[in-house]
Amino acid sequence: DQQVKQNSPSLSVQEGRISILNCDYTNSMFDYFLWYKKYPAEGPTFLISISSIKDKNEDGRFTVFLNKSAKHLSLHIVPSQPGDSAVYFCAALNTGNQFYFGTGTSLTVIP
Amino acid sequence: DVKVTQSSRYLVKRTGEKVFLECVQDMDHENMFWYRQDPGLGLRLIYFSYDVKMKEKGDIPEGYSVSREKKERFSLILESASTNQTSMYLCASSHNPRLGDSEQYFGPGTRLTVT
Repeated sequence: DQQVKQNSPSLSVQEGRISILNCDYTNSMFDYFLWYKKYPAEGPTFLISISSIKDKNEDGRFTVFLNKSAKHLSLHIVPSQPGDSAVYFCAALNTGNQFYFGTGTSLTVIP
Repeated sequence: DVKVTQSSRYLVKRTGEKVFLECVQDMDHENMFWYRQDPGLGLRLIYFSYDVKMKEKGDIPEGYSVSREKKERFSLILESASTNQTSMYLCASSHNPRLGDSEQYFGPGTRLTVT
């Protein structure tokens, strides 16, 4: 059973506009959330994270929002750039130190 | 710079063969992980290890085993490869997430094809 879900397999956005990637989770024991970016033929690389005690974390063009009551997090990329085109995975960490990953969203930023 | 290396980028094996995938990290991380990535299924955890000689089953351990004899090295073993184990295998390492830095560092992946 998928505990972390990314319901949009793909997303296309114009360069300069905002990209919003969504992630839902089912387990209320998750207390730390991360976003990873993956280019083809490479391993995922860490992008940004958020603890469950916060509702927002910002790092440059990337902002992650957490809505605990809705068990939902989102990644905002503003402004989007062609180099942001990649597959984005959200991940959640449970109290047993196990990571759970979503199925990924493929973002295409159109120049 | 953290480095996680995997022994092979591409492997082709026959059904029934024993397959070893090796992973080495150079950051003295306590935790190491093996995932497989399949289209539409994301990254699924096979096994992880939080210390030398310790291992924990992930979500899909069937058909796999692991070995961690040294802190820097975590091996994934397919005792008898089957075609449904054709996949991209990703190794990752991290410090203990509860001690601050929770980020995982991933290797480049091994594309395994079982024929």
